[in-house]
Amino acid sequence: GAGVSQSPSNKVTEKGKDVELRCDPISGHTALYWYRQSLGQGLEFLIYFQGNSAPDKSGLPSDRFSAERTGGSVSTLTIQRTQQEDSAVYLCASSPRTIFYNEQFFGPGTRLTVL
Amino acid sequence: GESVGLHLPTLSVQEGDNSIINCAYSNSASDYFIWYKQESGKGPQFIIDIRSNMDKRQGQRVTVLLNKTVKHLSLQIAATQPGDSAVYFCAEIRLSSGSARQLTFGSGTQLTVLP
Repeated sequence: GAGVSQSPSNKVTEKGKDVELRCDPISGHTALYWYRQSLGQGLEFLIYFQGNSAPDKSGLPSDRFSAERTGGSVSTLTIQRTQQEDSAVYLCASSPRTIFYNEQFFGPGTRLTVL
Repeated sequence: GESVGLHLPTLSVQEGDNSIINCAYSNSASDYFIWYKQESGKGPQFIIDIRSNMDKRQGQRVTVLLNKTVKHLSLQIAATQPGDSAVYFCAEIRLSSGSARQLTFGSGTQLTVLP
């Protein structure tokens, strides 16, 4: 079946512009995560959505970052007034279960370059 | 602070040999440990996990060992193949009610399989 998809695959923007990154999770998955991966680094947790609960935003690095998940499915990560340090690969993952740990399925990521 | 990290950033092995990738962690409250494989340009892919109350778990060609005494985790890949070339991340997850099923990742080890 279809996996997690993300768009665009690559995004080049100028410093100060806003960008929106999209994630389509696997159908039926209730949990959705956003991570950021800088060059040669591990994954940095950003935000977590679980069903209709309030999202866990504890990983967002600044108030320029926000995310929403509409209808419990598609999610959009928005970065306002982008800075060069925002350049990274942004990964989305979804997971099927709500209570117990379960495997996270990752999308291919969006590579963001801020000039 | 708490962290999950790897001993070596790169590892080269001959095709057919066994590979051992190591990881150290500092948080004793972790419930699960997971190994992910990330090929170039792709999102991380789950390989195997182990509960914190286990010492060993085997999968297909892979074995994960957990030593809680020294807070050390390893991934062993038997008969390494060219397709195993990738970055390998260890991650830990803590289950707690009302908060995100976060994954904390190490920085990754680049495994290169030599012909």
